Amino acid sequence: EVQLVESGGGLVQPGGSLRLSCAASGFTIRSYGMHWVRQAPGTGLEYVSAINSNGDRTFYGNSVKGRFTISRDNSKNTVYLQMGSLRPEDTAVYFCARVGVTYGPYELWGQGTLVTVSS
Amino acid sequence: QSVLTQPPSVSGAPGQRVSISCTGSSSNIGAGYDVHWYQQFPGTAPKLLIYGNNNRPSGVPDRFSGSKSGTSASLAITGLQAEDEADYYCHSYDYSLSGRVFGGGTKLTVL
Repeated sequence: EVQLVESGGGLVQPGGSLRLSCAASGFTIRSYGMHWVRQAPGTGLEYVSAINSNGDRTFYGNSVKGRFTISRDNSKNTVYLQMGSLRPEDTAVYFCARVGVTYGPYELWGQGTLVTVSS
Repeated sequence: QSVLTQPPSVSGAPGQRVSISCTGSSSNIGAGYDVHWYQQFPGTAPKLLIYGNNNRPSGVPDRFSGSKSGTSASLAITGLQAEDEADYYCHSYDYSLSGRVFGGGTKLTVL
């Protein structure tokens, strides 16, 4: 089955760090750009970060720039999001998504993992 | 404040037609970037509904259609059904932000 599965979410204190993983199965991620999107409780979708297919270009939304780092390991078919200097406003469900073409749609989504930043 | 503007809510009776607007600017939709639409039910991940302004992925009923003109786009749903009650999001790229942007989402209620 073609799917993305996120993991690594949980409760973390303000200022702390967390690493999310997005494991792909049923296809190889090396042909795709991969993105992270988040959704705070009761709100809409927010673009977080993106990485191109070979991992040499990364992009970030303004709200996470300088604090989050996206990476990928094509040999493990997995994408990561290293989150640092976490703030309460980073509390959200984090989804990873697959992109087939530049500026293309998020054609496949994971189920999401919840990150809660609180003391 | 989302870069793309959607109405917070729309409603319609079963069988009716509803439309959801998505208004952008010259740095995103107006610059020629494609608009995509997603459907999301509570507690689940979004699902791709329309891509490239007006294309339906396999399995999406033809009751759903998209259009784009100038700095705006629109999602239309005809023959409204109770199962269409969900949140809908538009999505594009903004060159001034160098990143993807979403609309704030529209909650569709089937009366």
